[in-house]
Amino acid sequence: QVQLVESGGGVVQPGTSLRLSCAASGITFSSYGMHWVRQAPGKGLEWVAVISYEGRKKYYTDSVKGRFTISRDNSKNTLYLQMNSLRPEDTAVYYCAQGVEEQQMITWFDPWGQGTLVTVSS
Amino acid sequence: DIVMTQSPDSLAVSLGERATINCKSSQTVLNSSNNKKYLAWYQQKPGQPPKLLIYWASTRESGVPDRFSGSGSGTDFTLTISSLQAEDVAVYYCQQYYSIPVTFGPGTKVDIK
Repeated sequence: QVQLVESGGGVVQPGTSLRLSCAASGITFSSYGMHWVRQAPGKGLEWVAVISYEGRKKYYTDSVKGRFTISRDNSKNTLYLQMNSLRPEDTAVYYCAQGVEEQQMITWFDPWGQGTLVTVSS
Repeated sequence: DIVMTQSPDSLAVSLGERATINCKSSQTVLNSSNNKKYLAWYQQKPGQPPKLLIYWASTRESGVPDRFSGSGSGTDFTLTISSLQAEDVAVYYCQQYYSIPVTFGPGTKVDIK
């Protein structure tokens, strides 16, 4: 059974950094593109970033470019999101999600992790 | 960026009745080279992550009840719940995966009347 488990969320002050992790099990992690999607409290879903299966290609939504970095360690079956210069508007539940089609950057997502809450507040 | 819109924002349907959710993309998500529509639907219940229902606009994910169906053209899509059950109360999102950035619709909340 495929399982994605996020960790690393918490309450931080504006301007600080946080690193999220997503541990994958039950899949050949190195075969799939992986995504981060966030959801602000009471709001809809916002795609944040994607990394290709081998880690060479990365894309970001405009609002996080230059501040967030997506990475992966295929030897550890783990996805990361390094978030720097955090802003109050980054407050959200952050989900990791697996791209369904092998070696494709853009597909639909399944499964999703349970999410980790990041709160940016002074 | 492809902008996704959904209508209505919310709807209340009696148990056993049909619920219809519309999704529109600001540009086509139909790839004419393979005739596939790059559109997925998700269901999200409170406190849970989204759950995949439909991909390629009309292909039901394994294990999803057949009362859920998807249809549509290159820019206009519909998710239909043919006979609403109590467990279908949720927010439903459409998503295009035709181009980066991947974008979601704002969601449609479905309740019981």
